[in-house]
Amino acid sequence: DADVTQTPRNRITKTGKRIMLECSQTKGHDRMYWYRQDPGLGLRLIYYSFDVKDINKGEISDGYSVSRQAQAKFSLSLESAIPNQTALYFCATSDEIRNEQYFGPGTRLTVT
Amino acid sequence: DQQVKQNSPSLSVQEGRISILNCDYTNSMFDYFLWYKKYPAEGPTFLISISSIKDKNEDGRFTVFLNKSAKHLSLHIVPSQPGDSAVYFCAASRGGATNKLIFGTGTLLAVQP
Repeated sequence: DADVTQTPRNRITKTGKRIMLECSQTKGHDRMYWYRQDPGLGLRLIYYSFDVKDINKGEISDGYSVSRQAQAKFSLSLESAIPNQTALYFCATSDEIRNEQYFGPGTRLTVT
Repeated sequence: DQQVKQNSPSLSVQEGRISILNCDYTNSMFDYFLWYKKYPAEGPTFLISISSIKDKNEDGRFTVFLNKSAKHLSLHIVPSQPGDSAVYFCAASRGGATNKLIFGTGTLLAVQP
């Protein structure tokens, strides 16, 4: 079984709709992250959380919000989706000692 | 402002030869560097890392070189195999307890049989 799972894997939604992307991990890591990948721009950090009570904005947090429901669960919400939020979204986890992050398989989101 | 740059969007190499992927950074505060590999429809997977106190780290066919004065790192794959065909991202962090990674834009490596 995968250590980091994301649901849904693909989603098409309309402009203005609210959508939630979910991430779960079984690695026992405290730290979790949300990234988006766009062609030519690499991976950019949206939000990160170092424990259940700690939420921090990344470099591109506008238009997004997150919820850390438990150590193992970290959700990303788009309150009112817009077309330029069409992207590939990745969740990742890490522990406190090593810098290596472990990524989920990604969610491909299309906003029409 | 792109703090981590991969100026080659793609690279094609023959099987058995060396692949060299390059990465430049602008922030002299970065002290830990990583390479990730990504196949289509999968998330990135960690490949190899290097601390700024070193100038080389080797793991099997993969070697990362760090030139701090030039703010440049490179990933060498020897020998290259068709299964190495993927997008490679370099990433940098300021280390400590933050673990925030800044990623480059990626280089698509194609290893030709």
